[in-house]
Amino acid sequence: EAQVTQNPRYLITVTGKKLTVTCSQNMNHEYMSWYRQDPGLGLRQIYYSMNVEVTDKGDVPEGYKVSRKEKRNFPLILESPSPNQTSLYFCASRISTGSNQPQHFGDGTRLSIL
Amino acid sequence: QKEVEQDPGPLSVPEGAIVSLNCTYSNSAFQYFMWYRQYSRKGPELLMYTYSSGNKEDGRFTAQVDKSSKYISLFIRDSQPSDSATYLCAMTYTGTASKLTFGTGTRLQVTL
Repeated sequence: EAQVTQNPRYLITVTGKKLTVTCSQNMNHEYMSWYRQDPGLGLRQIYYSMNVEVTDKGDVPEGYKVSRKEKRNFPLILESPSPNQTSLYFCASRISTGSNQPQHFGDGTRLSIL
Repeated sequence: QKEVEQDPGPLSVPEGAIVSLNCTYSNSAFQYFMWYRQYSRKGPELLMYTYSSGNKEDGRFTAQVDKSSKYISLFIRDSQPSDSATYLCAMTYTGTASKLTFGTGTRLQVTL
């Protein structure tokens, strides 16, 4: 089954404790991205990657890091999480970098930073 | 002002009703318009996709784009309780790095 898989689905942690949210897709997609979803603000892009070893900032990259060492994986790293990073996070992928291709989303990771 | 505006709802309708969901936008460069459906505790899933102006129909769903008014709509005919979800409009423009710009979503509840 074609899918985007995120782990963990839920995480409660404390300020300053480094964490990584993994994202993996099995569709051989070139383009992957991370979004956060907040009430009243909708989905906002954090980082995106057009291919292996190619990443770039989205609209809200502060406090986040990403890497793309393999085509299928695109982890999101919070080096020193803070409470304002409490949010619902989604990883997405699409087949190519062409903007007219639909994006496929994972089921989300709910992060709570205390 | 946000680039994409969407009424957050909630919108509650009886089963069988026709539902109209709308978004307005300010960036005239947008060319591709999408509607995503998001069930509780799930990721958004693509429902409809249109390019430029016009209508597109898929079963009970019709997507409409009016670029002159910078206005897009999603119509749901014969709404069902299973249509209860949050509907997100999204749009983008040509360019390899172009990203999706989302509306904030409209929560729809279809009651029996």
